[in-house]
Amino acid sequence: NAGVTQTPKFRVLKTGQSMTLLCAQDMNHEYMYWYRQDPGMGLRLIHYSVGEGTTAKGEVPDGYNVSRLKKQNFLLGLESAAPSQTSVYFCASSYPRVTDTQYFGPGTRLTVL
Amino acid sequence: GEDVEQSLFLSVREGDSSVINCTYTDSSSTYLYWYKQEPGAGLQLLTYIFSNMDMKQDQRLTVLLNKKDKHLSLRIADTQTGDSAIYFCAETPQTGANNLFFGTGTRLTVIP
Repeated sequence: NAGVTQTPKFRVLKTGQSMTLLCAQDMNHEYMYWYRQDPGMGLRLIHYSVGEGTTAKGEVPDGYNVSRLKKQNFLLGLESAAPSQTSVYFCASSYPRVTDTQYFGPGTRLTVL
Repeated sequence: GEDVEQSLFLSVREGDSSVINCTYTDSSSTYLYWYKQEPGAGLQLLTYIFSNMDMKQDQRLTVLLNKKDKHLSLRIADTQTGDSAIYFCAETPQTGANNLFFGTGTRLTVIP
């Protein structure tokens, strides 16, 4: 049982390049989330999914797209990276109840030059 | 949108109690949470409290909620060096897919 895993752990991009971050969970969770963490700002929700084939916008969705083709995977895409997207990205997953713990992955540190 | 605020830093001596404070603006918050983040790691849920409670205790952790003042606190008794981490307060509004709104995090440093 690996929990929540994220690929890659680190990445450096040039402005305008694209990339996809992969999140995988093996806990059969319905809900999955992508957050970004910036210094002094806590975590902010980018997009989330309440089930396979569904996605929804969070607090800061601009510049990102997501897909949930399989229940266990949640992909975060940057079509044209910008320096403002330099951040640490965390994926999380949970069961649907509000009291259910969100389990977080270890994070992906992305730098856009 | 929701606004959750915390002080950025706290230092305590080993063995003392730590109190980390949080204020929030959303009066419809249903659950409030405390998460811990150790260096280079993701967030780990420590405890949570339902909005109709005013206190919850879990071993060395005590959560106090003052709903009138929208103030949440986390007390860690007998603080150890292993408690050094960043602590995030978070809340869930009444609507939405259990979205969490996080505070800025408080970096707790425990001095041996």
